[in-house]
Amino acid sequence: EAGVAQSPRYKIIEKRQSVAFWCNPISGHATLYWYQQILGQGPKLLIQFQNNGVVDDSQLPKDRFSAERLKGVDSTLKIQPAKLEDSAVYLCASSLEAGWMETQYFGPGTRLLVL
Amino acid sequence: KNQVEQSPQSLIILEGKNCTLQCNYTVSPFSNLRWYKQDTGRGPVSLTIMTFSENTKSNGRYTATLDADTKQSSLHITASQLSDSASYICVVGGDYKLSFGAGTTVTVRA
Repeated sequence: EAGVAQSPRYKIIEKRQSVAFWCNPISGHATLYWYQQILGQGPKLLIQFQNNGVVDDSQLPKDRFSAERLKGVDSTLKIQPAKLEDSAVYLCASSLEAGWMETQYFGPGTRLLVL
Repeated sequence: KNQVEQSPQSLIILEGKNCTLQCNYTVSPFSNLRWYKQDTGRGPVSLTIMTFSENTKSNGRYTATLDADTKQSSLHITASQLSDSASYICVVGGDYKLSFGAGTTVTVRA
């Protein structure tokens, strides 16, 4: 079974530039998550999708971050404009459903460095 | 505020030795507790998941314990191997949200 795919794996940009990350979840998984993991910290949930609808985006900085999952499969996360403090690993995860006992499967992450 | 505290922040052990990682949480309501292993440059991988009615769960050389009364959990690694070098993250589920700890970095040396 193929895992969660993410691209690019690494990205270096200057502050105020824009960047986009892509995620392809495990086939058949209805729920998709985007996390931000700052060095030395645990992941922080940015947004959760159930199919193509948003379940939770309470911690998403909506003035600069946006995400979409148009067909309920792939998802993109965009930052515009980027700030220095956005330097982090952006993890995408998926689960079969949104139940509280569901196991989340994580992708390898995209490491972003903002200069 | 829901919090998950892990200790120690990091530890170094010799190959073949055992170690125990701690997790204290204040998440309420509580539904489940998970331990994840995160290799450097990789995403976290689930090791165990326990509900409030479970006291212990094993996955190979990894054994997790849960005391829901004291809100504490531990992850015990038996006969450590070089491949156990990773960050171990405690994650507590409650009210349909997950709260992540900062992780304990384990380094196993030959």
